[in-house]
Amino acid sequence: KQEVTQIPAALSVPEGENLVLNCSFTDSAIYNLQWFRQDPGKGLTSLLLIQSSQREQTSGRLNASLDKSSGRSTLYIAASQPGDSATYLCAVSLPSSEKLVFGKGTKLTVNP
Amino acid sequence: NAGVTQTPKFQVLKTGQSMTLQCAQDMNHEYMSWYRQDPGMGLRLIHYSVGAGITDQGEVPNGYNVSRSTTEDFPLRLLSAAPSQTSVYFCASSYSTGGTYGYTFGSGTRLTVV
Repeated sequence: KQEVTQIPAALSVPEGENLVLNCSFTDSAIYNLQWFRQDPGKGLTSLLLIQSSQREQTSGRLNASLDKSSGRSTLYIAASQPGDSATYLCAVSLPSSEKLVFGKGTKLTVNP
Repeated sequence: NAGVTQTPKFQVLKTGQSMTLQCAQDMNHEYMSWYRQDPGMGLRLIHYSVGAGITDQGEVPNGYNVSRSTTEDFPLRLLSAAPSQTSVYFCASSYSTGGTYGYTFGSGTRLTVV
């Protein structure tokens, strides 16, 4: 059974700091991996999608990497801002399945 | 471009009442799904559909029914609401199998059953 773990569960950093959020999964047979952002009381906003054949994706200050063999992904946020404060969710999709398996998220707080 | 639209945004039900959570997408996505989000549990798949007329169960399907009569709509029905169904419900859609191009989520329905 695929399980996704995100560490740490919560993170508080000062504005301007570079930071890394971690996601690990137990079964390397994934179709792709997607990082989402969720603001309090809101829906999920897709940040980055990494196909299983890719190693990383970049969007602005965000960079996500994928290492299937070790079952790990990282989300790197450069020069963090208070507006980055949110919960970040990692999810993997499974081959021949429509199921997304989510981690429980990392709650990020960026202090001014 | 509306994306995935969910209604209502908030709902309070009494135990035993029934209701339908609506989900509509305008992106011509074949794949649609429903998730519930509970504190400490993360998001869990309830039901999903790979196209009009085809539905299947996810991880936590008990107490919920779905149907997919059109590509655009995928309603979730609670037949007899229970307090355990208090949760935030999200609808998602995807262009192709396994979310090749990623998943798009709606803004959610916050349901309280008293």
